[in-house]
Amino acid sequence: EIVLTQSPGTLSLSPGERATLSCRASQSVSSRYLAWYQQKPGQAPRLLISGASSRATGIPDRFTGSGSGTDFTLTISKLEPEDFAVYFCQQYGSSLTFGQGTRLEIK
Amino acid sequence: QVQLQETGPGLVKPSQTLSLTCTVSGGSISSGRYFWSWIRQQPGEGLELIGIIYNSGSTNYNPSLNSRVTISEDTSKNQFSLKLRSVTAADTAVYYCARVIPDYGAGYFDLWGRGTLVTVSS
Repeated sequence: EIVLTQSPGTLSLSPGERATLSCRASQSVSSRYLAWYQQKPGQAPRLLISGASSRATGIPDRFTGSGSGTDFTLTISKLEPEDFAVYFCQQYGSSLTFGQGTRLEIK
Repeated sequence: QVQLQETGPGLVKPSQTLSLTCTVSGGSISSGRYFWSWIRQQPGEGLELIGIIYNSGSTNYNPSLNSRVTISEDTSKNQFSLKLRSVTAADTAVYYCARVIPDYGAGYFDLWGRGTLVTVSS
């Protein structure tokens, strides 16, 4: 099973700043089969990115996914107040597993 | 606009069976374009795939739950269901149903229900 480790566990930033979230896999993820989700309190996760870098419908272009192999990154270029949430990565190149999440909080 | 809605008891006694149903509106579960899944999130924790039902009707379960789980579909009602047997307090979680975009062997989740909290307690 591919284990996904997200870092940092918590990221404290201010609106307007740039956020960089990491997702590292224990083995190479085939063909960039990696997705990112955003979850706000009391809500279901929302798909942000699939295929490591393809934004889902309606996702603002301040969200960028990148990476390949074992190292993937979600970058939020200029944080808006509504971006403070928990972010999960998920790989689907070998079975299907989730990372444990990164909490993005307001500094 | 496709929507998913989970329904079922919010309280289940230990050793009993947790049963939930996901009703899909605005689209057909038998279109053949998607898979359908159950995912849970224990309090304060991350996401855990319970299982997927494919458009062939076959299923794939999380190995850690495999012996206790059944996912089935009722295409006439446009629903799919989860049964988790012999529950314990560790099965207390928010349970989500979600649509799977098939990609490679599994896929990713593009549409989610709002989730339903199931508490296991006597």
